[in-house]
Amino acid sequence: AQSVTQLDSQVPVFEEAPVELRCNYSSSVSVYLFWYVQYPNQGLQLLLKYLSGSTLVKGINGFEAEFNKSQTSFHLRKPSVHISDTAEYFCAVTSNSGYSTLTFGKGTMLLVSP
Amino acid sequence: GAGVSQSPSNKVTEKGKDVELRCDPISGHTALYWYRQRLGQGLEFLIYFQGNSAPDKSGLPSDRFSAERTGESVSTLTIQRTQQEDSAVYLCASSSIPLTSDTQYFGPGTRLTVL
Repeated sequence: AQSVTQLDSQVPVFEEAPVELRCNYSSSVSVYLFWYVQYPNQGLQLLLKYLSGSTLVKGINGFEAEFNKSQTSFHLRKPSVHISDTAEYFCAVTSNSGYSTLTFGKGTMLLVSP
Repeated sequence: GAGVSQSPSNKVTEKGKDVELRCDPISGHTALYWYRQRLGQGLEFLIYFQGNSAPDKSGLPSDRFSAERTGESVSTLTIQRTQQEDSAVYLCASSSIPLTSDTQYFGPGTRLTVL
């Protein structure tokens, strides 16, 4: 079984500032990791995912995340945010073999103000 | 269609009534998932369909919840004798192949309010 912890329920930030959204996971097996974004009144959309290879993963809209196996983390970063990045961000984990559904964190609301 | 669609978008019902939620996955996607998103919570897995295989119902919270899917098409999630704690957004997702590495594509959800 896996679990995901997103320590920050809300992250307020000013436009053009950098941001980091934290995600830690727990698993007894090797994992795949995902970040999804949910814009207001919309469904979840994949931002990026780590499957294997380079631990730095680049996604859409200028976001990137780094997989750190020793710290069991997969933090999401963006060097300069826009107002349009205001949304809820979910980290998710699944086993990297066989069949396993996604286990989601509780989400972090990113609030970008001018 | 272009994406996963769900209906209705909003549903208000009285405690004790039955409700049926519908999901239309992306055409050709063999895997279909239902999740529940309670206010301030992450997504909880409910049920998973893969082709004609027996569904994984391990996430269903009680026997009041059931779901069906015919082949690789539409799925319906039914909640019988609704309770106030059933109030949540119910999200459907589909993926093209049943591998854990595959991206799940989500619908906009059905917001269920039980009075």
